[in-house]
Amino acid sequence: AQSVTQPDIHITVSEGASLELRCNYSYGATPYLFWYVQSPGQGLQLLLKYFSGDTLVQGIKGFEAEFKRSQSSFNLRKPSVHWSDAAEYFCAVGPQYGNKLVFGAGTILRVKS
Amino acid sequence: DAGVIQSPRHEVTEMGQEVTLRCKPISGHDYLFWYRQTMMRGLELLIYFNNNVPIDDSGMPEDRFSAKMPNASFSTLKIQPSEPRDSAVYFCASRGTGTNTEAFFGQGTRLTVV
Repeated sequence: AQSVTQPDIHITVSEGASLELRCNYSYGATPYLFWYVQSPGQGLQLLLKYFSGDTLVQGIKGFEAEFKRSQSSFNLRKPSVHWSDAAEYFCAVGPQYGNKLVFGAGTILRVKS
Repeated sequence: DAGVIQSPRHEVTEMGQEVTLRCKPISGHDYLFWYRQTMMRGLELLIYFNNNVPIDDSGMPEDRFSAKMPNASFSTLKIQPSEPRDSAVYFCASRGTGTNTEAFFGQGTRLTVV
C-alpha cells in the first residue's frame, strides 16, 4: 500500500537558519512526489513537484527537494528560513497524472526570531 | 484566474441536518477532487471526477456522503444526515489534463456539526 511518512510533527528553527523537512514514501511504481504548504486557515499551495529527470528540484519561495530513490525519500530544504515560512508542510505521493494523492501527516514549522 | 473557489468557508450545523458544500474549479481543468482534513486522519481523498464523471469514490466514508458534478464549473459534496464526526475541513482541488500538471486547492470549508 502506498504511504507517506513525515517523521517530524513539529520543527522549530531560528530565522536565517537552514531547514530540512523529511519525507519517506512507500509506493509500488514510479512515484510522483509533491510538497505542499498550508498556512493557517488557508488551502494547500504547491511548493514543488518531482515527476522525472533531475532529482534535485527547485520550487517557489526558495525551497528545493531531492528525490533519492534508494532511500525512498523526498526531503525538502531551504538554506535560510524566513519568519513567513512558518506553516504546515505536507509531502504527498501519487501515480502518474497526480490523481489519488496520498499525503503525509504534515510537519508544523515554527520560526523563532 | 481566481483559483478554486469553495463555499461556504465556514458551516456550523446541527446533527441530522443536510449539509451541502460547493466548489467551482479552475476554468479549463477537467479533474476535480474532494479531500477531507481531520486531526486524526490527516488529508484523505474522498472522490474525484474527470470530465464531470466520478472516477473513484472509494474514499467516501459512508452512504451519507454524496458528490455530484453537474457541469464543468460546479461540484457539490453533500452530507445527509450530518453527524458530529463529520466535522472537518473539506477541500476541493482541480487540475488540468496532462502528465505534468498538479492539483490546485481551494481554501476549504470548515464544517462543524454540533
